[in-house]
Amino acid sequence: KAGVTQTPRYLIKTRGQQVTLSCSPISGHRSVSWYQQTPGQGLQFLFEYFSETQRNKGNFPGRFSGRQFSNSRSEMNVSTLELGDSALYLCASSLGRGGSYNEQFFGPGTRLTVL
Amino acid sequence: AQKVTQAQTEISVVEKEDVTLDCVYETRDTTYYLFWYKQPPSGELVFLIRRNSFDEQNEISGRYSWNFQKSTSSFNFTITASQVVDSAVYFCGAAFRGGADGLTFGKGTHLIIQP
Repeated sequence: KAGVTQTPRYLIKTRGQQVTLSCSPISGHRSVSWYQQTPGQGLQFLFEYFSETQRNKGNFPGRFSGRQFSNSRSEMNVSTLELGDSALYLCASSLGRGGSYNEQFFGPGTRLTVL
Repeated sequence: AQKVTQAQTEISVVEKEDVTLDCVYETRDTTYYLFWYKQPPSGELVFLIRRNSFDEQNEISGRYSWNFQKSTSSFNFTITASQVVDSAVYFCGAAFRGGADGLTFGKGTHLIIQP
């Protein structure tokens, strides 16, 4: 069974640009969550989707948005990039509705560098 | 405040030694889930264990064991007879408030097993 895949794996952008990251969950998983990992703040929850609906959202500005498609694939978008957005963005999928309560399977992440 | 604390930033031991990673959490919730994840250099988090707040039974899985004590709000992880392959960053996490905040992670403990 294929694991969680994330594309692209590496990305370099400049301040002010926008970026879209993609996540394909494990087949059959309908819950997808996104996390940001930085050396200073650690792992922080961005959002959680289930059946194309955003169920929960972390404490991030409105520049961070996401969506989930009918095939459970998910994208997250960051507009007007700032230097502080440089991070590893991790996507996780789980089988059931209660994403964070369940065992989650993480992808390898997308390493975003903002110059 | 809902919080997870891993006080040990880095631990270095020689192979075959036993090592315990500490995790302390704060919450007023009565229902919550606790987790341990491992992050090898490849970046993706690997699920190790989930424990709900009503189940204080300790668990052993091979060389790994977990000790959950509600009285001290701790969920510690012990590796017996450590091996070089155990080297990684280990994260303790918790799902509070019905998962509304996603997983709240500690800052992680970097475990180095020297041959």
